[in-house]
Amino acid sequence: GQSLEQPSEVTAVEGAIVQINCTYQTSGFYGLSWYQQHDGGAPTFLSYNGLDGLEETGRFSSFLSRSDSYGYLLLQELQMKDSASYFCAVRRATNKLIFGTGTLLAVQP
Amino acid sequence: DADVTQTPRNRITKTGKRIMLECSQTKGHDRMYWYRQDPGLGLRLIYYSFDVKDINKGEISDGYSVSRQAQAKFSLSLESAIPNQTALYFCATNNGPYNEQFFGPGTRLTVL
Repeated sequence: GQSLEQPSEVTAVEGAIVQINCTYQTSGFYGLSWYQQHDGGAPTFLSYNGLDGLEETGRFSSFLSRSDSYGYLLLQELQMKDSASYFCAVRRATNKLIFGTGTLLAVQP
Repeated sequence: DADVTQTPRNRITKTGKRIMLECSQTKGHDRMYWYRQDPGLGLRLIYYSFDVKDINKGEISDGYSVSRQAQAKFSLSLESAIPNQTALYFCATNNGPYNEQFFGPGTRLTVL
């Protein structure tokens, strides 16, 4: 079978750093993606890790450890507009994505 | 103009009715996908297509059918809608081996 686990909710204050973890169990693993979704909106791509290590894109970074079947999304210098749901997604063969259930991030002033 | 569009954006229908949701894209991508999103369940893949002659079932295809009319158009049909098909439906596209999927704005479907 396949499964992805991530926390359902995270709360942090403006300017802080927050880490959203994702553990997965799946066959045919190619990489781990992260998507952001504001309430009722379309998911938008944030990052992708195909290899172990850290990928940095501005205030956002993503990490992958294949041996631990684990990844995380790191958001720095949090802003109010970062309040959204964040989904990890396993990329499998044939470019299919299997999404986690999402983490709702609430950024407080 | 949006690269991926979905029509309608909202639809309320009754149990047993046939419904078609449409997706169009101007990105020139070969691959198109239909997902549904339910609260607390993330996005689940219904069907996907890698070109006009290629249609594949996803995780939850029962009760749904699709048609790839052209490279740019991918339609999702509910032959006989039931209340547990009430959900937010997203179309997405990408191209070849590239990972990023581009999502449409979604269709909110309510089946009474």
